[in-house]
Amino acid sequence: DADVTQTPRNRITKTGKRIMLECSQTKGHDRMYWYRQDPGLGLRLIYYSFDVKDINKGEISDGYSVSRQAQAKFSLSLESAIPNQTALYFCATSDGDREVKDTQYFGPGTRLTVL
Amino acid sequence: AQSVSQHNHHVILSEAASLELGCNYSYGGTVNLFWYVQYPGQHLQLLLKYFSGDPLVKGIKGFEAEFIKSKFSFNLRKPSVQWSDTAEYFCAVNSGSARQLTFGSGTQLTVLP
Repeated sequence: DADVTQTPRNRITKTGKRIMLECSQTKGHDRMYWYRQDPGLGLRLIYYSFDVKDINKGEISDGYSVSRQAQAKFSLSLESAIPNQTALYFCATSDGDREVKDTQYFGPGTRLTVL
Repeated sequence: AQSVSQHNHHVILSEAASLELGCNYSYGGTVNLFWYVQYPGQHLQLLLKYFSGDPLVKGIKGFEAEFIKSKFSFNLRKPSVQWSDTAEYFCAVNSGSARQLTFGSGTQLTVLP
């Protein structure tokens, strides 16, 4: 969905390096999410943010941090990358309501390889 | 905690065959259910969703899913698959008490021409 963009689309880095993945959306959604996808494991939630001041850890937050710079921007950082963080990373957004019926819309993904 | 199981990891069908992909979830309360599709090299796209009402939900591209509360299931079906349906399919659920979407491990569908 062109309304959710991720940069970079591909990145190769070395163990120990700091990496930032960026996500921007023009959908006007309050909620944003970061997932990683590994073969056979589906998508696992790393962090999520329901608004600029509300950031929460997901299932697998260790080794990651996030920053919600604005409603439209949500960045994921790997402070010191390690090889088992090699994965496909997706950002998603949703409109949300109090009953959590919102549908998530995904960005194109960032393929990260840590050597 | 909610969880989602997709027992079929890889399904191979010939064109025009019927498709049913299984999805079971663990949460006992009110749930919202989704099927997403990921075509090769692309991002996830919503196929269909169920919030309430008619348990038979129709989605895009001829797909449908049936919510059976007693079986905690939300299986995806298509009467006649096409080669272009080759993709990975993910079932996902969120519940009234959870603020996040939980995905199954995915089912890779390969349709042979």
